[in-house]
Amino acid sequence: ETGVTQSPTHLIKTRGQQVTLRCSSQSGHNTVSWYQQALGQGPQFIFQYYREEENGRGNFPPRFSGLQFPNYSSELNVNALELDDSALYLCASSRVQGYGYTFGSGTRLTVV
Amino acid sequence: KNEVEQSPQNLTAQEGEFITINCSYSVGISALHWLQQHPGGGIVSLFMLSSGKKKHGRLIATINIQEKHSSLHITASHPRDSAVYICAVKTQGGSEKLVFGKGTKLTVNP
Repeated sequence: ETGVTQSPTHLIKTRGQQVTLRCSSQSGHNTVSWYQQALGQGPQFIFQYYREEENGRGNFPPRFSGLQFPNYSSELNVNALELDDSALYLCASSRVQGYGYTFGSGTRLTVV
Repeated sequence: KNEVEQSPQNLTAQEGEFITINCSYSVGISALHWLQQHPGGGIVSLFMLSSGKKKHGRLIATINIQEKHSSLHITASHPRDSAVYICAVKTQGGSEKLVFGKGTKLTVNP
């Protein structure tokens, strides 16, 4: 059973650009959540996908969007990047909703 | 006030000391997680609790549902235990999101 893999590990973007972050979950993990972790803070919930449908959303604007694919991979897309979007983005997957989570190592996004 | 509060924010210990990190929450939960985050950013799940106590090696986690409080204990601490320890709760009802504390940065000196 492989872990959760995120790509890229680091990324630098310019304000106003768009970015796509990717997460490859463990086989059979049909629930994936995305979190934003600013420096020195705990992660904040962005949204969750269950069987390719959005299943809950945190307090993030619509320019944060996502997709989940049948092969247990998912994407986080952020449009019109702002400086405050600079953070570590984590994905976490689980086999059954509410069961134990497996976290990826994160993508560190820097917006300049 | 955050829904999940951790204390202390920073903790420095000498190798071999017994460590306690506390977590209090103000919402109804269905489960509480203790997580470990190393400087690279990756998070490792240590425990998931809904009641009582769990032990894994030198780590012990307890939860008191009535008092809305959980503790993570590390016995015979070692420098390799140095990391940020994060408490996260799964709230009852609604979406399956986790609400995180801000973490406790533990440094164990040799």
